[in-house]
Amino acid sequence: DGGITQSPKYLFRKEGQNVTLSCEQNLNHDAMYWYRQDPGQGLRLIYYSQIVNDFQKGDIAEGYSVSREKKESFPLTVTSAQKNPTAFYLCASKRDPSGANVLTFGAGSRLTVL
Amino acid sequence: QQQVKQSPQSLIVQKGGISIINCAYENTAFDYFPWYQQFPGKGPALLIAIRPDVSEKKEGRFTISFNKSAKQFSLHIMDSQPGDSATYFCAASDSSYKLIFGSGTRLLVRP
Repeated sequence: DGGITQSPKYLFRKEGQNVTLSCEQNLNHDAMYWYRQDPGQGLRLIYYSQIVNDFQKGDIAEGYSVSREKKESFPLTVTSAQKNPTAFYLCASKRDPSGANVLTFGAGSRLTVL
Repeated sequence: QQQVKQSPQSLIVQKGGISIINCAYENTAFDYFPWYQQFPGKGPALLIAIRPDVSEKKEGRFTISFNKSAKQFSLHIMDSQPGDSATYFCAASDSSYKLIFGSGTRLLVRP
């Protein structure tokens, strides 16, 4: 079945450490997105990529970095510069970057900073 | 102007009742209004969507009502079931890449 795989599902990090969240899709979608979800705040866009080797900052990109070396992969690194990294992180994809915004989401990764 | 305001934050409904969630927006360039459903520990999934050329769209027990002049849209869940208990997000977008999400409504349907 086609879909988006996020790993790990749960991750614990000590303060000052960088962590990388994996996102892999086999939907052959061009566009990929990273969202952060906090209680009562909806989904906020961190980064997005419309094509390989290109990505753009979203609304809350500070303290995060991404890469898009392959169409199917869009890993997110949460750096030590992110002041409040504990959150639920969601990866999503869309077939056509300029088409109707029907996003397919992964199951998410929950990051907890100890 | 980019915000989508969603209410209520939480909602408790008896089985068989009607659940109503409301959203409002300011940006008149928005032309696509989806609703996403999210179960605990899972990613959101598209439930139903509407464009502003229609005032209502129904899919089974789920209906979107759209009021273009008031810049408001709402989700109605008829005959609500315990399996509908989830968090619901409204969203809006224009012709660009980006979906703007509401803050979410946590729905609990009591048996």
